[in-house]
Order: sequence, then structure tokens, then C-alpha cells
Amino acid sequence: QQQVKQSPQSLIVQKGGISIINCAYENTAFDYFPWYQQFPGKGPALLIAIRPDVSEKKEGRFTISFNKSAKQFSLHIMDSQPGDSATYFCAASIGRGSTLGRLYFGRGTQLTVWP
Amino acid sequence: GAGVSQSPSNKVTEKGKDVELRCDPISGHTALYWYRQRLGQGLEFLIYFQGNSAPDKSGLPSDRFSAERTGESVSTLTIQRTQQEDSAVYLCASSLRGVATDTQYFGPGTRLTVL
Repeated sequence: QQQVKQSPQSLIVQKGGISIINCAYENTAFDYFPWYQQFPGKGPALLIAIRPDVSEKKEGRFTISFNKSAKQFSLHIMDSQPGDSATYFCAASIGRGSTLGRLYFGRGTQLTVWP
Repeated sequence: GAGVSQSPSNKVTEKGKDVELRCDPISGHTALYWYRQRLGQGLEFLIYFQGNSAPDKSGLPSDRFSAERTGESVSTLTIQRTQQEDSAVYLCASSLRGVATDTQYFGPGTRLTVL
């Protein structure tokens, strides 16, 4: 079953607005939560990532909020730009054992930012 | 090389044929991952290599799928007796050490279409 659940499936935001994508997980063994950005015809690329010992991480216009007790995390894109139009994937991984580094992905959110 | 490369970029095959997909990781990266991305879906883990050994093959969907890696270099994913449900984009990623917090760098993928 899907170990990381992501919503919404698609999102349309006006230029300058805030884009918010949410993810939830059940497996408490997850201890690393990256977000990937994918443009059409390209492979995903790491955007930003967080460990569960912090509640928020900000890099430029991108912020991850993490709620360990609720087992939820979200990506906020401030001042969204047309160039941000892409598919965003949340993911999670376990830092030990034979599953080391294996990423469990959400289904993705297709973001469209209108100029 | 500058990034992860994959070949071919597109492959169209007939049901029942065998296909080989190739991945060239970033030089010096010990860990290599294969993922499958079906239309509108997230990335599905297939197999993980550390060097030329595969400690996690749990994502391979059937015994028609196999993969190997030469040292810390090229990997090939082989699908025997292809079926229409194998149609997807196959993505390869590499990371420096294979630990959870290492960034996985993705190639552009091979789009496989089984007629």
C-alpha cells in the first residue's frame, strides 16, 4: 500500500500566491523526508529535505513544516512563480537496515502557477 | 560524468520481447537505485545496489525483472517477456554512499512502451 500519502493531486495557484502540498505517513521508522521537483521529460531533483528532529526548514521561498505527532509534513512555496510549475513529490526513507536510502514516494502533485 | 545518464531515452517493444535498460551513475557514487514511474503515479522502488551487490531487491515486481551492476559503475535493468503493464518510465538514481540523508541524483529516465 502507499506508505506516503500526498494531496492534492493537482494545484493551480496565481503568480505571487502560496502553494501548499501535504503529505502523511504511518511508518514511524521513517527518519528523513525529502521533497523532489520534476519537470516534464526530466528526472526528479531534490528540492529540500527535513529530519524529524526539527519542525520547520526554510530555503528561500520553499519551507517544509513537519508535525511528528501527527505524522504529517507539508511543502509551502511562497510567492509562487510560473517557473515553479512542475510535479512535486514528497518522500520518506529509513536510515538503517537493508532498506537504507530507499525512498518511498507520494503520488505527486502537479502544480500550475498562472502568470 | 556530469550527471546520471540513461539509455535508451525511449524504447518501444512488442509484448513478449526482452528489453535492457542502461544506467550510468555519477562517478564515485557507490549507491544506485532503480525506480519505476507509471503514468500519474509516484515513483515505485525496484532495486538498490551498494557497489555491485544488491541488498534490497524487494521492489522487483516479478521474476521477469532482473538487474546487475558492474563494480561501482554501469547498471542494467532487464525485463524479460515484457507485458503491457510494464509500460512506464524507468528511472535510475545514484548517491554518494547510500545513506538516507545522501541526495539521490536522478537520470532523465527511459520511457518504455510495450505494444
